[in-house]
Amino acid sequence: AQKITQTQPGMFVQEKEAVTLDCTYDTSDPSYGLFWYKQPSSGEMIFLIYQGSYDQQNATEGRYSLNFQKARKSANLVISASQLGDSAMYFCAMRDENYGQNFVFGPGTRLSVLP
Amino acid sequence: NAGVTQTPKFRVLKTGQSMTLLCAQDMNHEYMYWYRQDPGMGLRLIHYSVGEGTTAKGEVPDGYNVSRLKKQNFLLGLESAAPSQTSVYFCASSFLNEQFFGPGTRLTVL
Repeated sequence: AQKITQTQPGMFVQEKEAVTLDCTYDTSDPSYGLFWYKQPSSGEMIFLIYQGSYDQQNATEGRYSLNFQKARKSANLVISASQLGDSAMYFCAMRDENYGQNFVFGPGTRLSVLP
Repeated sequence: NAGVTQTPKFRVLKTGQSMTLLCAQDMNHEYMYWYRQDPGMGLRLIHYSVGEGTTAKGEVPDGYNVSRLKKQNFLLGLESAAPSQTSVYFCASSFLNEQFFGPGTRLTVL
């Protein structure tokens, strides 16, 4: 069965600094996708970044990058130059790409950006 | 272009009552999903659909039914609500590798 682990319930970072949010996953399938989502206090879910299991390069989207280490089964999110608006819950998720659209989410990490 | 909309935004039910949550998307996406989010947890997939007329079970399907009669709509039904179904329900649709979420429905079952 697929599983996502996020071991950091809460993180603090100083404004303008970089921060890494950890995500490890467990799957026996060779083809899968990894996702990160942001959930601000207002409650909406916002897609941030995607990494496919066969992608050779780490995904980047603006200030977000995904540090994908396949052998270690980790997919950490790196946020560069943190902003106050980055304060939110962050969820890592995985999709099994051989069996439809079955998504599994981790429990999330609450990031607080300090001025 | 409204994106993904959910109706209603809030609802309080008594145990045993039934209700239907409506999700609508205007982006012509094939894939649609229903999730629930409980306090302090990530989202859990209830059911999903890969196209009009098709549905599949996710991680926590028990107590829920779904229908996708039209491509733009995905309905989630609770036939006999239980307090354990108190949660925030999110609908999403996706294109390629990006999911677009609705604003959520906060459901309380007393």
